[in-house]
Amino acid sequence: AQSVTQLDSHVSVSEGTPVLLRCNYSSSYSPSLFWYVQHPNKGLQLLLKYTSAATLVKGINGFEAEFKKSETSFHLTKPSAHMSDAAEYFCVVSARAGGGNKLTFGTGTQLKVEL
Amino acid sequence: SQTIHQWPATLVQPVGSPLSLECTVEGTSNPNLYWYRQAAGRGLQLLFYSVGIGQISSEVPQNLSASRPQDRQFILSSKKLLLSDSGFYLCAWSDTVAGVQYFGPGTRLTVT
Repeated sequence: AQSVTQLDSHVSVSEGTPVLLRCNYSSSYSPSLFWYVQHPNKGLQLLLKYTSAATLVKGINGFEAEFKKSETSFHLTKPSAHMSDAAEYFCVVSARAGGGNKLTFGTGTQLKVEL
Repeated sequence: SQTIHQWPATLVQPVGSPLSLECTVEGTSNPNLYWYRQAAGRGLQLLFYSVGIGQISSEVPQNLSASRPQDRQFILSSKKLLLSDSGFYLCAWSDTVAGVQYFGPGTRLTVT
């Protein structure tokens, strides 16, 4: 069984300040982990993925995440927030299932960026 | 490159009416296909997935069904909609092993 916990449902930052969105996971196997972003009434866009290579993963739009097995965490960070980063972010864990792959989503973190 | 389409983009339907949402993928062969529902203020719930034509796995018992009549076409249906079927429906595809799923633009369904 696998699960994902996003520790904050809402995060508010000022433009130009760092962003930290926290995620903890639980998985019976070595997991694949992802962060997706969703802007209002849009589909989900992949930000970055971890698939057992380097533990520090760089994604699009300046985001990165660090896989820490000892802490079962995969927190998303960005050094400097931009207004366009305001969106909902989902942490996701993947497991193989029936020839495909099943994603388990966290409940999401709404990021607000203020001037 | 691969693209995924969903239609319609928005839909308002009365309770008890039928439903058909369509998803198509271009630029790849034999994709895994997925239907998700996102209710207001909640995360995504996997409804169905398919690893090939005519192969459908259902994740939760519900008022919906899915079909895959062609390799790159995935259809979500209902014979009689319920108010609780309202939500944002997302289709996604993946290749067989990479693990990453790519999402379509979604369909906003409102059942009145």
